Amino acid sequence: KQEVTQIPAALSVPEGENLVLNCSFTDSAIYNLQWFRQDPGKGLTSLLLIQSSQREQTSGRLNASLDKSSGRSTLYIAASQPGDSATYLCAVRRGAGGTSYGKLTFGQGTILTVHP
Amino acid sequence: NAGVTQTPKFRVLKTGQSMTLLCAQDMNHEYMYWYRQDPGMGLRLIHYSVGEGTTAKGEVPDGYNVSRLKKQNFLLGLESAAPSQTSVYFCASTTGDTQYFGPGTRLTVL
Repeated sequence: KQEVTQIPAALSVPEGENLVLNCSFTDSAIYNLQWFRQDPGKGLTSLLLIQSSQREQTSGRLNASLDKSSGRSTLYIAASQPGDSATYLCAVRRGAGGTSYGKLTFGQGTILTVHP
Repeated sequence: NAGVTQTPKFRVLKTGQSMTLLCAQDMNHEYMYWYRQDPGMGLRLIHYSVGEGTTAKGEVPDGYNVSRLKKQNFLLGLESAAPSQTSVYFCASTTGDTQYFGPGTRLTVL
């Protein structure tokens, strides 16, 4: 059974810091990995998706890396801002293609607070 | 293009009552999912559907039923609510990669 773990559970940093959020998974047979953002009382918004054949994806100040063999992914946020405060979740899609039907296994999330 | 919408946003039930949560998407997605989110446990898959008229069990299906009579709608039913079903429920849809989530329904069972 796939298990996804995120470390740390919570992180508080001053504005401007570069930071790293960690995600690990137990079964390396994944199809892709996604990072989501969740604001309080809201749904999830996809930030980055990395296919199993890729090593990293970038979007603006965000960079996500994937090391499938070691079962790890990191989300790097450059020059953090108070608007980055949210919960960040990673999720893995297991299996190959249609047999998984897009089902995701989520980590518990990292609560990020960026203070001015 | 409204994306994924959920009805209602909030609901309070008494133990033993029933209710139906509605999810609608306007992106013509084949796959739809119901998750529940509890503190410290992330999101867990309840049921999912790979197309109109199909449903399947996820990780935590007990106490829930679903129906997908129309491609754009996915209904989640609680026949006899229990306090353990107090949670935030999210619906999502996809064509296979990026999942798009609704805003959630916060359900409290007393």
